[in-house]
Amino acid sequence: QKEVEQDPGPLSVPEGAIVSLNCTYSNSAFQYFMWYRQYSRKGPELLMYTYSSGNKEDGRFTAQVDKSSKYISLFIRDSQPSDSATYLCAMSAGGLTGFQKLVFGTGTRLLVSP
Amino acid sequence: EAGVTQFPSHSVIEKGQTVTLRCDPISGHDNLYWYRRVMGKEIKFLLHFVKESKQDESGMPNNRFLAERTGGTYSTLKVQPAELEDSGVYFCASSQDDLAGDNEQFFGPGTRLTVL
Repeated sequence: QKEVEQDPGPLSVPEGAIVSLNCTYSNSAFQYFMWYRQYSRKGPELLMYTYSSGNKEDGRFTAQVDKSSKYISLFIRDSQPSDSATYLCAMSAGGLTGFQKLVFGTGTRLLVSP
Repeated sequence: EAGVTQFPSHSVIEKGQTVTLRCDPISGHDNLYWYRRVMGKEIKFLLHFVKESKQDESGMPNNRFLAERTGGTYSTLKVQPAELEDSGVYFCASSQDDLAGDNEQFFGPGTRLTVL
């Protein structure tokens, strides 16, 4: 069983829709929960991260972590065609100097049509 | 400020040959990570340097892979001899060494390795 499970998609939505992306995980040691966005032929770019449980909002993006259910979500409001990319969840147990090694989901490909 | 750079962007070699990938981290970043994505699979951790020392190499698949970071600046990842299953995209990431912070890892664009 993989440590992190993520639906690969693709997920197709019209412009303006609310998008929900999710990951589940099995390792209780994970403390940091991240969402990365990756455009084609580029490296992953950190969108936002959450430490432990709770919600975090940044503009049109909201990240939620439910450690009791081992479930994390990323919501995108008012989705735009420029949001079309692969979204990767990543997790880490952390360490003395930050995130340390990351464990990734497979990524969900999102397509937002005009 | 320049981001993480990787060279080459793409490499095609034959099985049994040797390939060396290079990563230049963001200047001043003590932490350097190598990750790999094999076709259809998730990005997986290979190893972590703190300056020139290997902090964690638990993800290295076997002894055909050798990573170095002489002088604590750029890093190389050598695959010798390459096998078909080594094909994939190799990412490098770097982060600061800041005891007070949750250090974001900045990723390079990756090197796409194809072993024929």
